[in-house]
Formats: sequence, C-alpha cells, structure tokens
Amino acid sequence: QKEVEQDPGPLSVPEGAIVSLNCTYSNSAFQYFMWYRQYSRKGPELLMYTYSSGNKEDGRFTAQVDKSSKYISLFIRDSQPSDSATYLCACSSNDYKLSFGAGTTVTVRA
Amino acid sequence: EPEVTQTPSHQVTQMGQEVILRCVPISNHLYFYWYRQILGQKVEFLVSFYNNEISEKSEIFDDQFSVERPDGSNFTLKIRSTKLEDSAMYFCASRGGGTNQPQHFGDGTRLSIL
Repeated sequence: QKEVEQDPGPLSVPEGAIVSLNCTYSNSAFQYFMWYRQYSRKGPELLMYTYSSGNKEDGRFTAQVDKSSKYISLFIRDSQPSDSATYLCACSSNDYKLSFGAGTTVTVRA
Repeated sequence: EPEVTQTPSHQVTQMGQEVILRCVPISNHLYFYWYRQILGQKVEFLVSFYNNEISEKSEIFDDQFSVERPDGSNFTLKIRSTKLEDSAMYFCASRGGGTNQPQHFGDGTRLSIL
C-alpha cells in the first residue's frame, strides 16, 4: 500500500477559479503535513506546513488536515496563470522523513 | 530569503565512475537530507544527517552512497560506482533546529549516467 496517494491529474482551470487538491495517506504516525510547489526543472518550494489536524490559511492558499480520515487538502483561491505548476503533498512523522505524493500538475488558463 | 543551493545543476557521468553532488544548506540549519526523483516518479527519501552522522537512511541508500559535511557549510552526496539506474534529480534539503520546522529544498542536480 502506498503511503501517500495523490491524483496526478492533470488539472486545468480558468484564471480566477478555485483549485482544489488533495491527498490521502495510510500511516497513522504522520503528524506533519506539507504542500510544496514545483516548477519545471526546479526544486520543491514550501507553500504550506501544518502540524496535526486543522486548517491553515496564507493569502490565497488554505491547507486542511483531517487526521481522522487521513485526508489532506490544499485550496488555491483566485488562481493565476503563475500558479501553473506541479503541487506535491508530503507527510512525515517525528522522524521528519518526508513521504511524497506523486504530485498533481495544475494549469491555470488565462 | 535564505535558500539551499546545489551544484552542479547537471552532471553527466560514465557508468562506473564516482560522482559527488554538492549542497550548501541554509546557514543556521542543523538537519540535512538528500532525496531523489527519478523521471516521472515520486520524490523519494534517501538519507538524513544530523550532528555529523547519518540519522536514517532508506533501502536505496546502499554501500555505494555516502554523505559528508566536510566543513561548516557544504553537505555532499557521493555515489561511488554509478549505475544507469542512478540517473535522477537529486535534491538536498535542510531544516532548522527544534520541532515543527519544515524542510527547504534546493533546485536539485540532474544526474545523467551514460
């Protein structure tokens, strides 16, 4: 069983739409949940970092963690063409060894 | 904003040769990591390093791999005898001390084994 599952998409939305991304995980020991953005031929760039369950908002980005259902989400409001990228979810336990999802490729159409 | 830097951006090496990938973590960070991403696959954990020793390593990190922090700023990954299947993007990451600190990644080194 894969530790972190993420639909690879691709996902295409018009500019201004809400982008909704999600991952599921299987390891109950995971406590730290991250979303990274990766542009082509670049490294993962940290977007959101959440400890345990709950919501976190940062500008146009909202991350949600539901540990009871092992489900994490990222919402991007008022999406822009510059948000076009691959979005990676990642989880870890106290060992901080990140387990990544496959990444979802998002295109925001102008 | 401080960042993790990796060199070279692209390394081409003949199979069987040794290769060293270099990373300069964020200056006040204490925990260092290497990950790799084979084309079209997930980012995978290789090794974590703290206080001048390996904390954890994955099953990928066999005897052909080694890591070192030769001075106060560099963190290196050495592959002793490269194989075709070592071709991948290799990412270095670092994290600050204490709990609840996320990992920050460099832009990676693309390793091509011929």
